[in-house]
Amino acid sequence: KAGVTQTPRYLIKTRGQQVTLSCSPISGHRSVSWYQQTPGQGLQFLFEYFSETQRNKGNFPGRFSGRQFSNSRSEMNVSTLELGDSALYLCASSSRLGEAKEQFFGPGTRLTVL
Amino acid sequence: TQLLEQSPQFLSIQEGENLTVYCNSSSVFSSLQWYRQEPGEGPVLLVTVVTGGEVKKLKRLTFQFGDARKDSSLHITAAQPGDTGLYLCAQGNRDDKIIFGKGTRLHILP
Repeated sequence: KAGVTQTPRYLIKTRGQQVTLSCSPISGHRSVSWYQQTPGQGLQFLFEYFSETQRNKGNFPGRFSGRQFSNSRSEMNVSTLELGDSALYLCASSSRLGEAKEQFFGPGTRLTVL
Repeated sequence: TQLLEQSPQFLSIQEGENLTVYCNSSSVFSSLQWYRQEPGEGPVLLVTVVTGGEVKKLKRLTFQFGDARKDSSLHITAAQPGDTGLYLCAQGNRDDKIIFGKGTRLHILP
């Protein structure tokens, strides 16, 4: 099975611009989660989508949004970019091991805001 | 607020040595995963443990889930340069949310 893919891998934007990141989950996985990773804060949960519906949401401002399509592919959007949004954005698709949820990550999109 | 703490934050040891890193939670969790992340890449799932007291082995890596389901450890035997990376633990909860620790950055010197 192909793994989780994310595009683009690298992105450079300037303050005030907006950006859209894309994620294709492992075939058959219906849940997609997004995380922001920075050296100081570690991995922080943004949101989770399941069957095109947002199921969980982290503590990020409304500038961060996402959606999921009927084929389970997901996009996240960040509007009015700030310098502090520079980070590695990771997407993960999930499967079940009994009652435990296992997440499989893509390679990430490295966003730099200038 | 649930906290998942990993220690040590940084560890640098010689090739061939053994090491243990720890993951401790302020609350009981239903499952725990360990990941390894290399620079510029996403975390790779190493193991999932779900039963208190459970021990799992993956080649030279031994993972243990505490009896009280609030802590876990990862022991590496005869570390190799290929073990270098950021080791993350993540706890799963009944509300299906997953919380990550900030990781242990491991560097194995050849």
